[in-house]
Amino acid sequence: QQPVQSPQAVILREGEDAVINCSSSKALYSVHWYRQKHGEAPVFLMILLKGGEQKGHEKISASFNEKKQQSSLYLTASQLSYSGTYFCGTGGSQGGKLIFGQGTELSVKP
Amino acid sequence: EAGVAQSPRYKIIEKRQSVAFWCNPISGHATLYWYQQILGQGPKLLIQFQNNGVVDDSQLPKDRFSAERLKGVDSTLKIQPAKLEDSAVYLCASKQEGAKNIQYFGAGTRLSVL
Repeated sequence: QQPVQSPQAVILREGEDAVINCSSSKALYSVHWYRQKHGEAPVFLMILLKGGEQKGHEKISASFNEKKQQSSLYLTASQLSYSGTYFCGTGGSQGGKLIFGQGTELSVKP
Repeated sequence: EAGVAQSPRYKIIEKRQSVAFWCNPISGHATLYWYQQILGQGPKLLIQFQNNGVVDDSQLPKDRFSAERLKGVDSTLKIQPAKLEDSAVYLCASKQEGAKNIQYFGAGTRLSVL
């Protein structure tokens, strides 16, 4: 079943923070986050595995709560380059297929 | 390291015509995926290959879609005949063995069916 992302879209000014949420109705083994710019390939950002760990990538970090079947992506001090559509992909087992959410469109304005 | 290569980048056809897309994964990646991404939606898996064998094709509309990966390297996805609702971006992704399921995507082929 497809995970649900919220919000669907968000507009920020440079330097502002944002949180994107990803919720699943099924037990999760992993959550993957990707960013896709218009007309380009989705780019892998990070993976979170069972254990509630938080990972970071520059000023982008994420958390994973497997009990709540949720993950959140945190973007701090946003930059223009952060603009794009963010997708979470959820995996129900090790090596299993990913099911992607519908995406969250993030626009960072100067 | 070269990324996932796809061609063509764009294709416009009329309904009921046939079309084929090509994908060359990252060298050494045994697993290859084809996804369909309709405008405003996330990628939806069509088919997964492990080397030249099919692992999952449960969401592939087999009456009109077919895919092959004969030598376990590059792959072709075909649609015959195309319908208007097939208009989408077709993404190819590949994954290395034991790589925590991290998939690397190509830029995709944008198909418009008129």
